[in-house]
Amino acid sequence: GAVVSQHPSRVICKSGTSVKIECRSLDFQATTMFWYRQFPKQSLMLMATSNEGSKATYEQGVEKDKFLINHASLTLSTLTVTSAHPEDSSFYICSARDLRREKLFFGSGTQLSVL
Amino acid sequence: QKEVEQDPGPLSVPEGAIVSLNCTYSNSAFQYFMWYRQYSRKGPELLMYTYSSGNKEDGRFTAQVDKSSKYISLFIRDSQPSDSATYLCAMSANAGGTSYGKLTFGQGTILTVHP
Repeated sequence: GAVVSQHPSRVICKSGTSVKIECRSLDFQATTMFWYRQFPKQSLMLMATSNEGSKATYEQGVEKDKFLINHASLTLSTLTVTSAHPEDSSFYICSARDLRREKLFFGSGTQLSVL
Repeated sequence: QKEVEQDPGPLSVPEGAIVSLNCTYSNSAFQYFMWYRQYSRKGPELLMYTYSSGNKEDGRFTAQVDKSSKYISLFIRDSQPSDSATYLCAMSANAGGTSYGKLTFGQGTILTVHP
């Protein structure tokens, strides 16, 4: 079964609203999680690295005020797309690092559609 | 120039064929090389993980890395319709490879295996 749960799997919202996406590690503690964005037929682009208890590290070109990341516990990271616009419509995927198993597990992704 | 180049395909083969997928890269610091399989609107799942140059075999899958040429390959033997998916190469320069999670992905190759 899945070891990383991502919710919701799909969300449709109106332009200007904010959307929160959750990423949970189910059977391990994840001090580090990663958020990716994937446009149709394109690769996964790393947006930010989320560290438990500290500020996220954003990749160049990613607006930290628009994509708010909170990693308040060892099993949960959230990505909030604030004031979403149609150009934010994309597939968002999280991944979590399991140090014990030395593996990286991906969530099942969230398809965001902004009308 | 992108750090990782991957032919997006699409690639269509008959069942039982040998499939060859490949990526080239420009960053000589990459040491960890991975292949992921991604079904439509799902998170990627790890298929193969290789450190530095060499070959690795796992069932019907063989991964090859040639660091001198900055070229990696994934071979699928006796391909099945269930292998139809998008295959993504990914690379990392960090010690620990997937355990660090900061990966650079190729664009992905869409593979269809028809009966």
